[in-house]
Amino acid sequence: DSGVTQTPKHLITATGQRVTLRCSPRSGDLSVYWYQQSLDQGLQFLIQYYNGEERAKGNILERFSAQQFPDLHSELNLSSLELGDSALYFCASSPEPGTVYGYTFGSGTRLTVV
Amino acid sequence: GQQLNQSPQSMFIQEGEDVSMNCTSSSIFNTWLWYKQDPGEGPVLLIALYKAGELTSNGRLTAQFGITRKDSFLNISASIPSDVGIYFCAGQLTGSQGNLIFGKGTKLSVKP
Repeated sequence: DSGVTQTPKHLITATGQRVTLRCSPRSGDLSVYWYQQSLDQGLQFLIQYYNGEERAKGNILERFSAQQFPDLHSELNLSSLELGDSALYFCASSPEPGTVYGYTFGSGTRLTVV
Repeated sequence: GQQLNQSPQSMFIQEGEDVSMNCTSSSIFNTWLWYKQDPGEGPVLLIALYKAGELTSNGRLTAQFGITRKDSFLNISASIPSDVGIYFCAGQLTGSQGNLIFGKGTKLSVKP
């Protein structure tokens, strides 16, 4: 157990729908990162939060949004889902931004859009 | 955007063989990381490299941070069945907030 908790583990939904993925960071970590992993691909950085504020943005679609709450858990919202959004979504956390020391990944949420 | 070119894409190993994989980029990184990912799991950190030229070992694994800061390699010696999985390199650019750029992975499988 890495200490980073992601729920749900699996999600199947239809095109056009909206889903929310949840991440609880490791205890003490203030920074949360979201990544997308499509089939046979490396992880693509989506967005980062630190202590409730957005810190960096990657190739995140406008249909996707995220936030980090006061208790430091984070949610990734995916709307108007398309077949191509089917992927593994990973959350990682670290004590602070700017360093990869203590960077830890969760087990991911597998999203299938049908 | 920045890309990491990881090779080989896949390889087959026989128990006891040494394995080598590498990553190159046109960008300069201040940190290189090597991860292993098993099916249904998130990436697990194997080795982290913080200085150009740094050579670091973790058991049978050895990784090096290239002098130009644009490349890194990972060697696995005397492979065992549990080494099977997907290995990713990842790099952090200078000035980034901690987000990583990943290679596409090297898939290790066992020779039939």
